[in-house]
Amino acid sequence: DSGVTQTPKHLITATGQRVTLRCSPRSGDLSVYWYQQSLDQGLQFLIQYYNGEERAKGNILERFSAQQFPDLHSELNLSSLELGDSALYFCASSAINSGTNNEQFFGPGTRLTVL
Amino acid sequence: GQSLEQPSEVTAVEGAIVQINCTYQTSGFYGLSWYQQHDGGAPTFLSYNALDGLEETGRFSSFLSRSDSYGYLLLQELQMKDSASYFCAVRDQGGKLIFGQGTELSVKP
Repeated sequence: DSGVTQTPKHLITATGQRVTLRCSPRSGDLSVYWYQQSLDQGLQFLIQYYNGEERAKGNILERFSAQQFPDLHSELNLSSLELGDSALYFCASSAINSGTNNEQFFGPGTRLTVL
Repeated sequence: GQSLEQPSEVTAVEGAIVQINCTYQTSGFYGLSWYQQHDGGAPTFLSYNALDGLEETGRFSSFLSRSDSYGYLLLQELQMKDSASYFCAVRDQGGKLIFGQGTELSVKP
């Protein structure tokens, strides 16, 4: 158990809908990262937050948005869903923004299925 | 842009040694990480190299050559439970990781 929690574990929805994925980082971790993993694909970096502020953006679609709240939990909002958005969405957290190995601790993921 | 290349599949037998290579092209390189992922599970951290050379952690070792933009993960005394996907990832100064496509390792008895 990494200490990172994600809800829900599974989500099934229809095209055009909007969903919110939630992540609670490890206690004390200030950085939160979101990744998308499509079937048999690598992990695509979406976005990073550090202590409530957006720190880095990857290949995140305009239909997707995220935020990190004062209690450090984060939400990833996916709207106007398409079939191709079906994937595993992972949240990870790390203790420091830069420095040593910056090991990231991954949550169990949310499996999104768009029908 | 940033890109990483690693073999898609590797097969080895129990007790053997296997090396998974990773080459990268990136700006803002800060270090190379390795993660293990069992079938759909959460990736877990294995190793990190910021400087050239070999880092050893039990049965796993990782190597980096910054001048060659190359690294590898070495797994020794392979066990069945090592069957998984292995990802190299470039870390930038801000801490984010850019992952390769992953190498699926199959360990046979």
